[in-house]
Amino acid sequence: GAVVSQHPSRVICKSGTSVKIECRSLDFQATTMFWYRQFPKKSLMLMATSNEGSKATYEQGVEKDKFLINHASLTLSTLTVTSAHPEDSSFYICSAGTAANTEAFFGQGTRLTVV
Amino acid sequence: GENVEQHPSTLSVQEGDSAVIKCTYSDSASNYFPWYKQELGKRPQLIIDIRSNVGEKKDQRIAVTLNKTAKHFSLHITETQPEDSAVYFCAAPPFYNQGGKLIFGQGTELSVKP
Repeated sequence: GAVVSQHPSRVICKSGTSVKIECRSLDFQATTMFWYRQFPKKSLMLMATSNEGSKATYEQGVEKDKFLINHASLTLSTLTVTSAHPEDSSFYICSAGTAANTEAFFGQGTRLTVV
Repeated sequence: GENVEQHPSTLSVQEGDSAVIKCTYSDSASNYFPWYKQELGKRPQLIIDIRSNVGEKKDQRIAVTLNKTAKHFSLHITETQPEDSAVYFCAAPPFYNQGGKLIFGQGTELSVKP
């Protein structure tokens, strides 16, 4: 149980375009989903908290207009990197949890390369 | 908010030796302390966790100890093997836990030499 699926696993896009990454909880309803960014040889940096049916809460320093988050249902959250630039290239990982549980369940991650 | 510090950043051991990685946290209300192993390009994999009502937990070659008074917890790997080589992260939730929200330590790159 507790499977989280993230797609795509890899994406290459041109500068100026937008890219959407999906995070799905396959066998449970996730009241909250989290988006992390990870640079090479660095830690996971929390970008935002996504709650179903409400606006996402962004961490300090994260541009909400650059990283659009939508949590339309209890099993799906999306992260859209808008007007992507090479400096947005990174590994993005989502996780999902429930109000009753402190454990986090991670998606596979998405390697974004902006050329 | 929660701040998690992890040391060392790199650790190299000989196969069969033990490895210890330490973390400190700032929020005394934190009650859940997981450890993750991450291989290159993969998702973090939970290897062991401990809750604040116990001081130690073991799972075969892996153990975690927690000192709530000092606000630190440690990962112990005994009889290390080359396949233990990876990056290890500790984490802790902020006091206003939102069901899975975690703040991660900086990571430790463990290298086990055959």
